[in-house]
Amino acid sequence: NAGVTQTPKFQVLKTGQSMTLQCAQDMNHEYMSWYRQDPGMGLRLIHYSVGAGITDQGEVPNGYNVSRSTTEDFPLRLLSAAPSQTSVYFCASSYLSGDRGRISYNSPLHFGNGTRLTVT
Amino acid sequence: DAKTTQPNSMESNEEEPVHLPCNHSTISGTDYIHWYRQLPSQGPEYVIHGLTSNVNNRMASLAIAEDRKSSTLILHRATLRDAAVYYCIPTLQGGSEKLVFGKGTKLTVNP
Repeated sequence: NAGVTQTPKFQVLKTGQSMTLQCAQDMNHEYMSWYRQDPGMGLRLIHYSVGAGITDQGEVPNGYNVSRSTTEDFPLRLLSAAPSQTSVYFCASSYLSGDRGRISYNSPLHFGNGTRLTVT
Repeated sequence: DAKTTQPNSMESNEEEPVHLPCNHSTISGTDYIHWYRQLPSQGPEYVIHGLTSNVNNRMASLAIAEDRKSSTLILHRATLRDAAVYYCIPTLQGGSEKLVFGKGTKLTVNP
């Protein structure tokens, strides 16, 4: 049982390049999300999904795209990388609460080990 | 969303108990309190959660004040591996679209 797997672990991009951060989970979780973590700023939600074909924006969605074609995968796309996107990115997944489409209070978030991205 | 206040940092010695406080005076009657921790260079991991009564698991204990305005995460015997940032997060009983992570408490464990 691998849990939440993120690739790559490290990436260096030049300004303007595009790339996709991969996230996969093998727990059949409906909910998946992307956070970024910057020094002194805590974790901020970028995008989230409550099931295949459904995505929504978090606090800091600009410059990022997501799609959810399967339950297992939730890739994060940087369309045109900027130095402000230098950060550590975490993917997380969880079960949902009944039919409400929300993270259950009784189901913890499972996080990957992150992708450290540097944009020069 | 309920707001939480945690000390920026705390220090403990190895094999001693650690009490990590969290103030959540604006919490509603149906919010659960979740605790997560983040070890260096890793993603956050779930520690424990509770609603009103004290809770125990293999990682820690959670003591919730009777008025629910504060809670304390208790590590009974700190180890070097417990050095991490600890986050206290209210969670709606009906479920949440997201978890809001504040800055947490950075715990240093001295050998």
